[in-house]
Amino acid sequence: EAAVTQSPRNKVTVTGGNVTLSCRQTNSHNYMYWYRQDTGHGLRLIHYSYGAGNLQIGDVPDGYKATRTTQEDFFLLLELASPSQTSLYFCASSDGRGRHTEVFFGKGTRLTVV
Amino acid sequence: GDSVTQTEGLVTVTEGLPVKLNCTYQTTYLTIAFFWYVQYLNEAPQVLLKSSTDNKRTEHQGFHATLHKSSSSFHLQKSSAQLSDSALYYCALNSNNRIFFGDGTQLVVKP
Repeated sequence: EAAVTQSPRNKVTVTGGNVTLSCRQTNSHNYMYWYRQDTGHGLRLIHYSYGAGNLQIGDVPDGYKATRTTQEDFFLLLELASPSQTSLYFCASSDGRGRHTEVFFGKGTRLTVV
Repeated sequence: GDSVTQTEGLVTVTEGLPVKLNCTYQTTYLTIAFFWYVQYLNEAPQVLLKSSTDNKRTEHQGFHATLHKSSSSFHLQKSSAQLSDSALYYCALNSNNRIFFGDGTQLVVKP
């Protein structure tokens, strides 16, 4: 089973602060994703990537940057955090081979912007 | 564009009774797959079952779903709900490795 590790698991920052969320997967998956989860909105895709150096824009990208430095590592950056970005963030990965490919999620990072 | 609709935000059912969670979709692609993910309290979402074959029933852990392309639906059903089924359920579709999730349905099973 795929292993996706997120850090930190909890983070509190101030409005206007700079935050980096980290994600590492250890199963050589090609695709990695960042989602935010909010009550009533489900899982919304922020950014995703299909390999090192690649970045694709998701459905709610405003206020977020992302970078895929290696096959394993995918970072989400909030350069001017706002209270509206308080959320539970999930990183996920998949091998991208075929339509039945499953997405494997990390345990999530709870971010609070005060 | 692609989208998934789950009409119920909350479904409450009594233990032992049947349950149905609705899922409909819109897509322009012909070759896509559909999933149900389940998320237990304080855990990450995980796949419950998946399908891409029209009119074929898929089963796992007592749940079943059938993809009906004619009605663009992939509803999740169980004949007898258990207390342990209480969780958040997401319907999703995989379109060219971009995964679209519905808003989720919270299932509460009462004694």
